[in-house]
Amino acid sequence: KAGVTQTPRYLIKTRGQQVTLSCSPISGHRSVSWYQQTPGQGLQFLFEYFSETQRNKGNFPGRFSGRQFSNSRSEMNVSTLELGDSALYLCASSFGQAPDTQYFGPGTRLTVL
Amino acid sequence: AQTVTQSQPEMSVQEAETVTLSCTYDTSESDYYLFWYKQPPSRQMILVIRQEAYKQQNATENRFSVNFQKAAKSFSLKISDSQLGDAAMYFCAYRSFTGTASKLTFGTGTRLQVTL
Repeated sequence: KAGVTQTPRYLIKTRGQQVTLSCSPISGHRSVSWYQQTPGQGLQFLFEYFSETQRNKGNFPGRFSGRQFSNSRSEMNVSTLELGDSALYLCASSFGQAPDTQYFGPGTRLTVL
Repeated sequence: AQTVTQSQPEMSVQEAETVTLSCTYDTSESDYYLFWYKQPPSRQMILVIRQEAYKQQNATENRFSVNFQKAAKSFSLKISDSQLGDAAMYFCAYRSFTGTASKLTFGTGTRLQVTL
């Protein structure tokens, strides 16, 4: 089975712009979660989607949003980018919700200038 | 809220030797899952091992094993016969059993260096 894929792998944006990141889960997986990884804050949970519904949300401002499509692919959007949004964004998929194991994609490295 | 603590920012081991990475966690739940993930320089997060809290037997995956002490809320990872490819950041993670709080909570990581 193909693993979790994320596109694009690298992205450079300027402050104030918006960005959309994409994640395709492992075939058959219905749950997708997003995490932000930074040197200062470590790995932080953004949100989780299951069957096109947001099931769980982390403590991030409303500029961070996401959605899941009927084929389980997910996108996350960040509007009005700030310098502090520079991070590695990781997507993880699992067959169902907890306690199924989450498998991670390679990440999207976002740089905000 | 659950917390995960990894008190060793960096560890070093010689090739073929054994190393143990420490992890403690805090939770009021009785059912949960614990994980060790490895993140090599490629940044791909790779699952190393998983432990169900209701199981008394420690999980083992080839050269990787855990020492799970539920009462002490301790979950250490032992890597035997260390190889150069084991060099990476290792993250301990907690996941609740219940769907409403199903996020992974990560520790701050331990950077493992493997020397010849």
